[in-house]
Amino acid sequence: DAKTTQPPSMDCAEGRAANLPCNHSTISGNEYVYWYRQIHSQGPQYIIHGLKNNETNEMASLIITEDRKSSTLILPHATLRDTAVYYCIVRVSGTYKYIFGTGTRLKVLA
Amino acid sequence: DTGVSQDPRHKITKRGQNVTFRCDPISEHNRLYWYRQTLGQGPEFLTYFQNEAQLEKSRLLSDRFSAERPKGSFSTLEIQRTEQGDSAMYLCASSLATGVYEQYFGPGTRLTVT
Repeated sequence: DAKTTQPPSMDCAEGRAANLPCNHSTISGNEYVYWYRQIHSQGPQYIIHGLKNNETNEMASLIITEDRKSSTLILPHATLRDTAVYYCIVRVSGTYKYIFGTGTRLKVLA
Repeated sequence: DTGVSQDPRHKITKRGQNVTFRCDPISEHNRLYWYRQTLGQGPEFLTYFQNEAQLEKSRLLSDRFSAERPKGSFSTLEIQRTEQGDSAMYLCASSLATGVYEQYFGPGTRLTVT
């Protein structure tokens, strides 16, 4: 079954890049990888998604390995407001079921 | 604000009581999802609607749980005979049916069963 694995926590200095890894070795060939974040007591917020190529938007960059078994979310200049739990998500192929995993708790330090 | 809304935001109930939660998705979104999130865990998929049709249910959705989306707009999630293990945050999300399925989440309903 689809599964994602992330480190439980990371710290990052304010203004530095935060690199958040995710392992999704069971991902199917045509399924996207999605990243969301959740700030305490709020619903998750969409960040970025990708299939094979690296992606960038105003919030972050996503690097996906060539074999698609892992990816890294990059927040180029982390701020205190980026402190949150970050989830790497995949969909179970052939279903509408999305797997969140336990996420990485990122703490941005002043 | 035209985001996803959920009501109530908090619900405290006694074990054995029935509870119902409501979700109002973004108006043009015809896909709607329910998730459950317990402390320290990521959201777990419960069920999915496309318009009024419930197309997928998780095995987590026991026979005490039922969800509806009668006119393809708002949705309700009912839990009958609540148990302490039902205490969790219940999240609703919606998305467009076409394109990449970016989900917009509501603020959630926090259920506490005493």
